[in-house]
Amino acid sequence: SSELTQDPAVSVALGQTVRITCQGDSLRSYYASWYQQKPGQAPVLVIYGKNNRPSGIPDRFSGSSSGNTASLTITGAQAEDEADYYCNSRDSSGNHLRVFGGGTKLTVL
Amino acid sequence: QVQLQESGPGLVKPSQTLSLTCTVSGGSISSGDYYWSWIRQPPGKGLEWIGYIYYSGSTYYNPSLKSRVTISVDTSKNQFSLKLSSVTAADTAVYYCAREAGGRKEDYFDYWGQGTLVTVSS
Repeated sequence: SSELTQDPAVSVALGQTVRITCQGDSLRSYYASWYQQKPGQAPVLVIYGKNNRPSGIPDRFSGSSSGNTASLTITGAQAEDEADYYCNSRDSSGNHLRVFGGGTKLTVL
Repeated sequence: QVQLQESGPGLVKPSQTLSLTCTVSGGSISSGDYYWSWIRQPPGKGLEWIGYIYYSGSTYYNPSLKSRVTISVDTSKNQFSLKLSSVTAADTAVYYCAREAGGRKEDYFDYWGQGTLVTVSS
């Protein structure tokens, strides 16, 4: 399967914890990477591999994976975390196809 | 600091070929550690991976676009390019170039261009 499924929208109260999920068969074999995209801007990598953050990404962002589901957790969400979040991984068939999830719109209340 | 910059026409007529170039600075495209990708995003929609090229010239394309896509590399200019033929309004999108790192079980796009909007219209 070449699909990654995300909830279209999630909301979180300021300062609370939120988990954004990504489901797909390929996630049993490959790690997901996660991207934050704010309006009018290019996506920014926030999590990759088992649970790695690029330089400059706050440590309130973390990643995990279990079975066919990858998760991005924001612990203590801030107003500036309001954005679209996309997961990405390889296709599960073993070829080189890269696939994005449909994206999750995160609203911080 | 690696930077990527897309360039090319912002308006393309239906049935014509869309052509974009990505110029890489702050790092060599000939490094064997990375793949170089094109990704697009229609207005108000999600991201779609178009394909990648390795510095050696080997490519892989999204099967959904494979018949219309060509990605090439010019290592002497530190650039890679996208051609998408027979465009329609459905190809209207912001086009991003990106560097892909990782390998084996993890791949990730660590550097992105700012994106360029290409509109297909007569």
